[in-house]
Amino acid sequence: EDQVTQSPEALRLQEGESSSLNCSYTVSGLRGLFWYRQDPGKGPEFLFTLYSAGEEKEKERLKATLTKKESFLHITAPKPEDSATYLCAVHNNNDMRFGAGTRLTVKP
Amino acid sequence: DTAVSQTPKYLVTQMGNDKSIKCEQNLGHDTMYWYKQDSKKFLKIMFSYNNKELIINETVPNRFSPKSPDKAHLNLHINSLELGDSAVYFCASSQGINEQFFGPGTRLTVL
Repeated sequence: EDQVTQSPEALRLQEGESSSLNCSYTVSGLRGLFWYRQDPGKGPEFLFTLYSAGEEKEKERLKATLTKKESFLHITAPKPEDSATYLCAVHNNNDMRFGAGTRLTVKP
Repeated sequence: DTAVSQTPKYLVTQMGNDKSIKCEQNLGHDTMYWYKQDSKKFLKIMFSYNNKELIINETVPNRFSPKSPDKAHLNLHINSLELGDSAVYFCASSQGINEQFFGPGTRLTVL
């Protein structure tokens, strides 16, 4: 069965303390891996799409990477406004499956 | 200039009632989705529509029925509401299998 597992469940960082979030997946025929950010009381907001192993994408303090089994979301020198839940999702043909998310808190 | 909008934002109702949630997107996308996010914040796909055809139908109760009058709208009808239906429901849209754009969510509370 296709699975998407995110770790850790929760992460607390000091402002400026870089770290990484993990998304491991087992799907057949991956057609895309997506990262989203969700703030409390709002819908998920798209961050990145990765299609093939070795691909990397960057946006401000965030960088997403992809291997054949997992994806990492690297956060460099985070700020308090980066606090949110980060969701990973995989698209396999017509099925979109989300992980449970990592709740990130960045303290000033 | 909202891309994906949902109404209502909050819905409080009694068990056994029938209710609907409306969704509209102005992005010109060809695929729309409904998701349920439970109390543990886990987001699970319920339905998707592509050009008026249902292409995903997860194992949700048949009390839930999506209705798409046109490409820009996908409404969710729920019959005989149960306590376990309480959750936040999100509508989303995409062009093909590209990134999805989500609405603000509808918090449904069944008493």
